[in-house]
Amino acid sequence: KQEVTQIPAALSVPEGENLVLNCSFTDSAIYNLQWFRQDPGKGLTSLLLIQSSQREQTSGRLNASLDKSSGRSTLYIAASQPGDSATYLCAGITNAGKSTFGDGTTLTVKP
Amino acid sequence: EAGVAQSPRYKIIEKRQSVAFWCNPISGHATLYWYQQILGQGPKLLIQFQNNGVVDDSQLPKDRFSAERLKGVDSTLKIQPAKLEDSAVYLCASSLGPRGRGNTIYFGEGSWLTVV
Repeated sequence: KQEVTQIPAALSVPEGENLVLNCSFTDSAIYNLQWFRQDPGKGLTSLLLIQSSQREQTSGRLNASLDKSSGRSTLYIAASQPGDSATYLCAGITNAGKSTFGDGTTLTVKP
Repeated sequence: EAGVAQSPRYKIIEKRQSVAFWCNPISGHATLYWYQQILGQGPKLLIQFQNNGVVDDSQLPKDRFSAERLKGVDSTLKIQPAKLEDSAVYLCASSLGPRGRGNTIYFGEGSWLTVV
């Protein structure tokens, strides 16, 4: 059974800092790894999806990497801004589309 | 492109009552998911449909929860009778299909349920 862990559960940084969020998964047979952002009272917004044949994806100030052999993915946020404050969740997705989510890392970026 | 639509956004019911949530996925998306998200936790998959067939309902409490997807488009999730521990956000999501980039999952805003 797939288990996904995100550490730390919460992170507070000053504005402008570069930061890394971690995601670990137990079953390397995932097909895709997807990162999401969730604002309070809202649904999840897709940030990046990394296919199993890829090692990383980039979108603006965000860069996500995937290392299936070690069961890890990281989300790198460059030059953090207060608007980046949210909960970030990762999900491992199987070939059949079944997803397993971590509990998220709540990020606070202080002005 | 319209996103995943859900209703109602908020619902308060008493325990032992019933409630139903509705979801309209992104047009053309074959796969539809219902998740339960308890405060402070990640979403937990309740049921996954591929078109109008059930792919995975292993974590659906079938004694009280039911879901259907009529004609492979809209879906409803029903809880009857509700328990206090059912208080959560019920998230609907969809994707084009299970393979490759079609696996990108898109979420609705969620339906917030409070059972008192």
